[in-house]
Amino acid sequence: AQSVTQLDSHVSVSEGTPVLLRCNYSSSYSPSLFWYVQHPNKGLQLLLKYTSAATLVKGINGFEAEFKKSETSFHLTKPSAHMSDAAEYFCVVTLVVNDYKLSFGAGTTVTVRA
Amino acid sequence: DGGITQSPKYLFRKEGQNVTLSCEQNLNHDAMYWYRQDPGQGLRLIYYSQIVNDFQKGDIAEGYSVSREKKESFPLTVTSAQKNPTAFYLCVSGDYTEAFFGQGTRLTVV
Repeated sequence: AQSVTQLDSHVSVSEGTPVLLRCNYSSSYSPSLFWYVQHPNKGLQLLLKYTSAATLVKGINGFEAEFKKSETSFHLTKPSAHMSDAAEYFCVVTLVVNDYKLSFGAGTTVTVRA
Repeated sequence: DGGITQSPKYLFRKEGQNVTLSCEQNLNHDAMYWYRQDPGQGLRLIYYSQIVNDFQKGDIAEGYSVSREKKESFPLTVTSAQKNPTAFYLCVSGDYTEAFFGQGTRLTVV
């Protein structure tokens, strides 16, 4: 069975400093991986995705993530946080051998201090 | 434009009543999902369907029922057996390249 672990339930950063959100998955098969963002009282928006192409994936709003198969990780980073980055972030995994069933991490809440 | 539509956005239910949440997609996706979101608990899978006329229980299926009579539609019924139904419900459709989310339904028991 696949599972997704977001290692931090809450991350607090100062505006202008780097952001790191950690995501690990457990599977011996190659996954498709996604990061979604949910702003307060809004729906989920796709930030970026990895589907077996380049391991360093660039997304919207300056976010990027690197797929590391050896570490089974897909951490999300941004060099300089903005106040508008305050939101909840979800790491999502899907596998062809699991009929592409989506598995969500528990979410990481990001707060940005002025 | 293709997309996924959930309705209603807000729903109030009296204790003991069944209510049905609608989810429709015109993206031609085979897979559709229902998730429940509670504060501090992330998204938990209620039911999912990979094909018409077939669906599978997720992690918290008790007190819920679904149907998949058409590819485009995956309604969720919250039955009176669900003891704590107040939550935000999210419908998702997708494939291995992307998941598309409805805007959600906030259900409140009054």
